[in-house]
Amino acid sequence: AQSVTQPDIHITVSEGASLELRCNYSYGATPYLFWYVQSPGQGLQLLLKYFSGDTLVQGIKGFEAEFKRSQSSFNLRKPSVHWSDAAEYFCAVGFSGGYNKLIFGAGTRLAVHP
Amino acid sequence: KAGVTQTPRYLIKTRGQQVTLSCSPISGHRSVSWYQQTPGQGLQFLFEYFSETQRNKGNFPGRFSGRQFSNSRSEMNVSTLELGDSALYLCASSIDRNEAFFGQGTRLTVV
Repeated sequence: AQSVTQPDIHITVSEGASLELRCNYSYGATPYLFWYVQSPGQGLQLLLKYFSGDTLVQGIKGFEAEFKRSQSSFNLRKPSVHWSDAAEYFCAVGFSGGYNKLIFGAGTRLAVHP
Repeated sequence: KAGVTQTPRYLIKTRGQQVTLSCSPISGHRSVSWYQQTPGQGLQFLFEYFSETQRNKGNFPGRFSGRQFSNSRSEMNVSTLELGDSALYLCASSIDRNEAFFGQGTRLTVV
């Protein structure tokens, strides 16, 4: 069965420090991969996506992610975190079966210390 | 370009009642998906509609239903509400390849 694992439930970093959020997926074919961010009480905002091609993808707000097929991973990175990045981050996998359905990880809550 | 609009933003209902939530997708998007978000279960797929047809359904009881109109607007209905149905219900619209754009959600509280 398809699944997404985000091993870290909570992460705390200092403002200005680098960030890496981990995501591993289980899916038989080449997946569509996404990272979303959610502020409290709000909907989900798409940060970046991977469909095919270059395995390093750039997103909004200075985020990037790298698809590694051999490790079934799609980790999210940011070189320097800002206090406004504090939120919950979700990794998701989509399917190539002709319909729109996302399987989400449990999320990683990011806290940023000044 | 207007985003995905969900109404109402907040609802309080009593056990046993039914509720209808509404979602207006981004103009031109024909696919609308619904998700339930709870602290315990996280984000779970409810169902997806495309051109007024349900294409896929998640693992939820029959009390959860939906429909899509010719203008792509969608509604979801929950009958005989239970306390466990309290959640943030998120609607997403898509053009293709699963790139979903989410609304702000409807916060449903069942008392």
